[in-house]
Amino acid sequence: DVKVTQSSRYLVKRTGEKVFLECVQDMDHENMFWYRQDPGLGLRLIYFSYDVKMKEKGDIPEGYSVSREKKERFSLILESASTNQTSMYLCASSLIPAGVEKGYTFGSGTRLTVV
Amino acid sequence: GDSVTQMEGPVTLSEEAFLTINCTYTATGYPSLFWYVQYPGEGLQLLLKATKADDKGSNKGFEATYRKETTSFHLEKGSVQVSDSAVYFCALRKTGFQKLVFGTGTRLLVSP
Repeated sequence: DVKVTQSSRYLVKRTGEKVFLECVQDMDHENMFWYRQDPGLGLRLIYFSYDVKMKEKGDIPEGYSVSREKKERFSLILESASTNQTSMYLCASSLIPAGVEKGYTFGSGTRLTVV
Repeated sequence: GDSVTQMEGPVTLSEEAFLTINCTYTATGYPSLFWYVQYPGEGLQLLLKATKADDKGSNKGFEATYRKETTSFHLEKGSVQVSDSAVYFCALRKTGFQKLVFGTGTRLLVSP
């Protein structure tokens, strides 16, 4: 079964720490995405990548960076964690559409709490 | 910009009731439209999709029809089950773009 795997389901970090959230997909997808999910706000795009070493800012990139050194892995980095970054983080991947639209495949999410 | 608007939740129904969750969108051209479902403690799963006007997407008893004239993609199910309790997200993807634009989600609670 194809999947997107996020390394942690729950994380608790201290304010000011550098935090790494890891995401790995085994579907050879070109595109990978990081979203955060907050009650009443839905899913908001932080960053996405359409190829190795390529990245694009989403709607809320401030306070975050990303790394994609290999096609299967897309990391989200919180340079200096703050309490307003407490959220559910969702990783997703997709093929560059060619033919049948398949949408995204999501990971199970990482619930990050910054204290 | 492109946007998706969903009805506010929670939607509370009894088992076997009829479900409608409204979704309207704003986008130029002919986007692809999706419904995703998120069960408690999990990520999102694709429920159904439609890629052109008048297409009907269907899966697990759920249906939605792409209505270009009303820019809508309402989700329906004839008889809900307790196991359908989840958060439902409507989303669009514009042709030529990779990212999905999501609505805020609608929580469905089904009681026995």
